[in-house]
Amino acid sequence: DQQVKQNSPSLSVQEGRISILNCDYTNSMFDYFLWYKKYPAEGPTFLISISSIKDKNEDGRFTVFLNKSAKHLSLHIVPSQPGDSAVYFCAARTYTGNQFYFGTGTSLTVIP
Amino acid sequence: EPEVTQTPSHQVTQMGQEVILRCVPISNHLYFYWYRQILGQKVEFLVSFYNNEISEKSEIFDDQFSVERPDGSNFTLKIRSTKLEDSAMYFCASSVQGRTDQPQHFGDGTRLSIL
Repeated sequence: DQQVKQNSPSLSVQEGRISILNCDYTNSMFDYFLWYKKYPAEGPTFLISISSIKDKNEDGRFTVFLNKSAKHLSLHIVPSQPGDSAVYFCAARTYTGNQFYFGTGTSLTVIP
Repeated sequence: EPEVTQTPSHQVTQMGQEVILRCVPISNHLYFYWYRQILGQKVEFLVSFYNNEISEKSEIFDDQFSVERPDGSNFTLKIRSTKLEDSAMYFCASSVQGRTDQPQHFGDGTRLSIL
């Protein structure tokens, strides 16, 4: 089951620069997408979401972009801060169900 | 900020034994979920629960698993006869509503180790 894919297991970015995390999906029935952030020994923390009727949602330093035709989702963090270092998961849900399908995560390291 | 709490943080159990993982969802949330993450793998959905019954479950959630809301605050996951492959992090989550544009909020998980 590879409905949600994060092809980059890790990413390193200099503090102050932009971090771009990518996510691809295969199920055209997905209509709601989220990004979660996870620190070691903690559960996933909700970061930002986007509905399929939008192509962009912004919350402070975090912006999520959705390209439905390409079935691609990205998270932009600007400017990146050392505290952003964590594993980032994208997740998606269909309009018929409650469960979220998770990607395998991208470990972001922001270098001071 | 309200949060989902899970106990214990780490559970070690002999194979074949029953285990109960406990969760206290956020108080005004109506939908409850269990997910698991086997080491090195993705977070996988197990079950969702609403109005005292299962609303959705995955193939993983077979007859050895059950969920219950024994009182007004707790939400439990029981594994009847544990197997080595049940070793994983188990996350409880809750949301205000289901099938709407509302995120699920996760607890910090219970690490289950089967010996």
